[in-house]
Amino acid sequence: DGGITQSPKYLFRKEGQNVTLSCEQNLNHDAMYWYRQDPGQGLRLIYYSQIVNDFQKGDIAEGYSVSREKKESFPLTVTSAQKNPTAFYLCASSIRLGLAGVSSYNEQFFGPGTRLTVL
Amino acid sequence: GENVEQHPSTLSVQEGDSAVIKCTYSDSASNYFPWYKQELGKRPQLIIDIRSNVGEKKDQRIAVTLNKTAKHFSLHITETQPEDSAVYFCAASKETSGSRLTFGEGTQLTVNP
Repeated sequence: DGGITQSPKYLFRKEGQNVTLSCEQNLNHDAMYWYRQDPGQGLRLIYYSQIVNDFQKGDIAEGYSVSREKKESFPLTVTSAQKNPTAFYLCASSIRLGLAGVSSYNEQFFGPGTRLTVL
Repeated sequence: GENVEQHPSTLSVQEGDSAVIKCTYSDSASNYFPWYKQELGKRPQLIIDIRSNVGEKKDQRIAVTLNKTAKHFSLHITETQPEDSAVYFCAASKETSGSRLTFGEGTQLTVNP
């Protein structure tokens, strides 16, 4: 569990402000992910990155941005364009297994989450 | 894209009884099916997973079954205990096309002592 960390644990934002959520892992994992969790709903994928300097949009990327400049870090920025940002944000990582030229991914490990509230 | 449906949304059982949670998926190419447990206020943690080359996998009181033809898979918990109370999520992915997991909406399991 201690291999992937998120900060801060709680974050409050005023409307119109951008905020950045931190996600760091020391597991030497190749892939990292950001999910959003709302009450009564499952985890919805915002962005994911399989390698450094590359990332892809998930199902709900609008109003969010990411960067992957280092293998161990995958920060998420919640922009003012995100109309309903209050939620619990979870970061995850997984190792990429190379099997006979085919890449596959194993278990995703989750961070402790950041609860964002818009005031 | 993949769509995962999970039932029931809430499940209440007596301690010692069995609990079954079911999920269906839409993409026949999906080949990896993990189950996560999330206790209140904590992070999801993997409890068991299954790949499409097997039909059943067991780990102590927990088992998962997979029916590829019908595109559904189920989580079975036997001899439930109060500490099993949590939200359980199923998920599906095509491992070889990357690592995207599509999650079900979760089942709140309550085990009554």
